[in-house]
Amino acid sequence: GQNIDQPTEMTATEGAIVQINCTYQTSGFNGLFWYQQHAGEAPTFLSYNVLDGLEEKGRFSSFLSRSKGYSYLLLKELQMKDSASYLCAVLSSGGFKTIFGAGTRLFVKA
Amino acid sequence: DGGITQSPKYLFRKEGQNVTLSCEQNLNHDAMYWYRQDPGQGLRLIYYSQIVNDFQKGDIAEGYSVSREKKESFPLTVTSAQKNPTAFYLCASSHGGGGGNQPQHFGDGTRLSIL
Repeated sequence: GQNIDQPTEMTATEGAIVQINCTYQTSGFNGLFWYQQHAGEAPTFLSYNVLDGLEEKGRFSSFLSRSKGYSYLLLKELQMKDSASYLCAVLSSGGFKTIFGAGTRLFVKA
Repeated sequence: DGGITQSPKYLFRKEGQNVTLSCEQNLNHDAMYWYRQDPGQGLRLIYYSQIVNDFQKGDIAEGYSVSREKKESFPLTVTSAQKNPTAFYLCASSHGGGGGNQPQHFGDGTRLSIL
């Protein structure tokens, strides 16, 4: 079967660093996306990884290990506006079908 | 500004009624998608379309229908056969697939409820 696992909720303090993990088992792999979704709003694209390693983009970084079926999203210098759900999504073989995890709700406290 | 527009934002359906959710994009994207999001669950794919006049079923297509007569438009009809339609519906689009780092761009969603 196809499965993506993420923690349901996480809490972190403003200014801190938080790591959101994602493990996946899918039939085929054409890359992994991270999206941010504020409550009641549309998901917005954060990062894409297709090769092993770390991709850094400002305060956000994303890591991928294909052999382990594992990724994480690293958020640095947390701000209150980072309180949102973070969705891990895998692009399957063929390139059109994306499988989404249930998302991790991140609460940033002062 | 380019983007995806979904309408209406809120929609109510009576028992036995079909309703159609609108999705329009002016990003010149070839591929379009419909997802359903329920509380505590990930986005589940209903239908997707790679090009005009072509579409494929996703994981939960039963009780739904779509059309893709124009590149810009991908309406979703929730039929009376869908017994549990209450959910948040998201439309998305992307450049052509076949691999590559093309993220999906999402509309603001339509929240459908049963009267």
